[in-house]
Amino acid sequence: GAVVSQHPSWVICKSGTSVKIECRSLDFQATTMFWYRQFPKQSLMLMATSNEGSKATYEQGVEKDKFLINHASLTLSTLTVTSAHPEDSSFYICSVLVLTGGPGNTIYFGEGSWLTVV
Amino acid sequence: GENVEQHPSTLSVQEGDSAVIKCTYSDSASNYFPWYKQELGKRPQLIIDIRSNVGEKKDQRIAVTLNKTAKHFSLHITETQPEDSAVYFCAATKAAGNKLTFGGGTRVLVKP
Repeated sequence: GAVVSQHPSWVICKSGTSVKIECRSLDFQATTMFWYRQFPKQSLMLMATSNEGSKATYEQGVEKDKFLINHASLTLSTLTVTSAHPEDSSFYICSVLVLTGGPGNTIYFGEGSWLTVV
Repeated sequence: GENVEQHPSTLSVQEGDSAVIKCTYSDSASNYFPWYKQELGKRPQLIIDIRSNVGEKKDQRIAVTLNKTAKHFSLHITETQPEDSAVYFCAATKAAGNKLTFGGGTRVLVKP
């Protein structure tokens, strides 16, 4: 499967500051990446679809001005949590869409990034 | 949009027994159904998937079945081992969008 790397693995930041999380596709050129967040003991919720060279598509209820997504190259997408608050503390995971042909394609996840806002 | 329901939310089995997790989906256009295993604090790992053109798929101790008419699919783990303990998520998507909609997850505990 595709190798997807996320950085940082965990980060603690002060309330009001911004944090950037990187998602890299190490062995596959990804035109599409997805960003999820996962609260403890809950499922993964899709935040946005990141498209290389164009604006991200955000899911309903996700503030695009707060969660800035940039997908400037085929191997890198970034998520910036702006003016972070304690309620933004969560596990953020990116995923890469690997085109395999046929009905449905395969999606591989990065290692995830734990964000704690204090 | 798509809605995926997953049951049970927790499942405790004795080592060696089988475990079955069931999911239902709402969008009849969904045609790709992956299953992920997630250990605490780690990324979801794809363990098996099934596409709409088949009804069953097996990989060693893991099997998945799909009933398109009823819009449900199930994960079967046989001869469970302690290392099977984790949270399992089902998901569904349409090929066009490829956005995964996840079920709520099932916490599986295999007791030695």
